[in-house]
Amino acid sequence: AQSVTQLDSQVPVFEEAPVELRCNYSSSVSVYLFWYVQYPNQGLQLLLKYLSGSTLVKGINGFEAEFNKSQTSFHLRKPSVHISDTAEYFCAVSEGLGSSNTGKLIFGQGTTLQVKP
Amino acid sequence: DAMVIQNPRYQVTQFGKPVTLSCSQTLNHNVMYWYQQKSSQAPKLLFHYYDKDFNNEADTPDNFQSRRPNTSFCFLDIRSPGLGDAAMYLCATSRDPASYNEQFFGPGTRLTVL
Repeated sequence: AQSVTQLDSQVPVFEEAPVELRCNYSSSVSVYLFWYVQYPNQGLQLLLKYLSGSTLVKGINGFEAEFNKSQTSFHLRKPSVHISDTAEYFCAVSEGLGSSNTGKLIFGQGTTLQVKP
Repeated sequence: DAMVIQNPRYQVTQFGKPVTLSCSQTLNHNVMYWYQQKSSQAPKLLFHYYDKDFNNEADTPDNFQSRRPNTSFCFLDIRSPGLGDAAMYLCATSRDPASYNEQFFGPGTRLTVL
């Protein structure tokens, strides 16, 4: 069965510092990977996705993530954070084409990014 | 802009009083999902529709029902809300499950049960 582990429940960081939010997954088939951001009392917004091709994926708001198949990781990074990046971040995985694709997303437990002035 | 809309954004109901949450989409997507998200937790899938085909998750309580009268609209009915049903309810859509499964989320409805 697939699962997603976000290794840090909270990440405090100072404004303009770099940040990395960690995500590991387990799956026996090819996967598609996503990072979503959720601001307070709002829905989830897609930051970026890995479907295939280049393992370095660039998303919105200056975020990027690197797919590492050997380490089954998909860590999210930003070189310089802003106060406005304070939010909950969710890593998610879905099964790729060719498998018994159910269309479901499996979410990690979320990481709260707290950007301090 | 194409989008997913949820109404109302905030809903207050009384213990045991039926409540309906609404979701509409202008994306013309085939699949619509309902998630429950409790405080500081990941979204939990309740069920989804692929066109008119209803797919219930095994652990979704019978208290939760859904209707999809047409492509654009989907409703979540909670027949007898309990205090434990207080949560954010998220609606999402995707083009179809055979694609890469990118889901587009609405802003959510926060349900309070008194």
